Amino acid sequence: EVQMVESGGGLVKPGGALRLSCAASGFDFTDAWVYWVRHVPGKGLEWVARFKSRADGGTTDYPAPLKGRFIISRDDSKNTLYLQMTTLKTEDTGTYYCVAALSYWGQGILVTVSS
Amino acid sequence: DVVMTQSPLSLPVTLGQPASISCRSSQSLLYSDGHTYLNWFHQRPGQSPRRLIYEVSHRVSGVPDRFSGSGSGTDFTLKISRVEAEDVGVYYCMQGSHWPWTFGQGTRVEIK
Repeated sequence: EVQMVESGGGLVKPGGALRLSCAASGFDFTDAWVYWVRHVPGKGLEWVARFKSRADGGTTDYPAPLKGRFIISRDDSKNTLYLQMTTLKTEDTGTYYCVAALSYWGQGILVTVSS
Repeated sequence: DVVMTQSPLSLPVTLGQPASISCRSSQSLLYSDGHTYLNWFHQRPGQSPRRLIYEVSHRVSGVPDRFSGSGSGTDFTLKISRVEAEDVGVYYCMQGSHWPWTFGQGTRVEIK
């Protein structure tokens, strides 16, 4: 059974930082492109970051507004995906999903940026 | 960024009747490799999105054949031949041809 389990969400003040983790199982994580997607109230679903498999170059990509503030990383030895978020803004509030191969989604984890 | 525009945004349907959702992109989704990376996702209340269709018309394994996708270039359609109760929720089109990938606003399907 495929599982993607996020952790690390919560309440953080503007300007703060948070690190999300996602533990994956039940499929070949090493061969998968992995992603973070968020659902922001009033804005819908947005791609936050992607990390290609090592076989496809192992590179990362971000939408321009998030580049420099968010960093995606992966540990293939632990089948785990991470998202380091810094200089958080109130508009980063939302539900964050880890995704693999576009078909496997976590249950989502809430990040709230508020003073 | 490529803007994905869905219509309608709300779709009341009768059980057993067909339903159709339109999705238009602000630029062609035909990629340099000859593929068109247009996906459809379904999100039921309280659940994560689930991919139904990839590359315009290919159903993901396990997706009922009452779901079909069509289109090319900038115009795409998702059709449900006979709506069932489990089909309620929000449907999103999503383009994977131009980074950053982008989703449509979502179409909420409800039973009349």
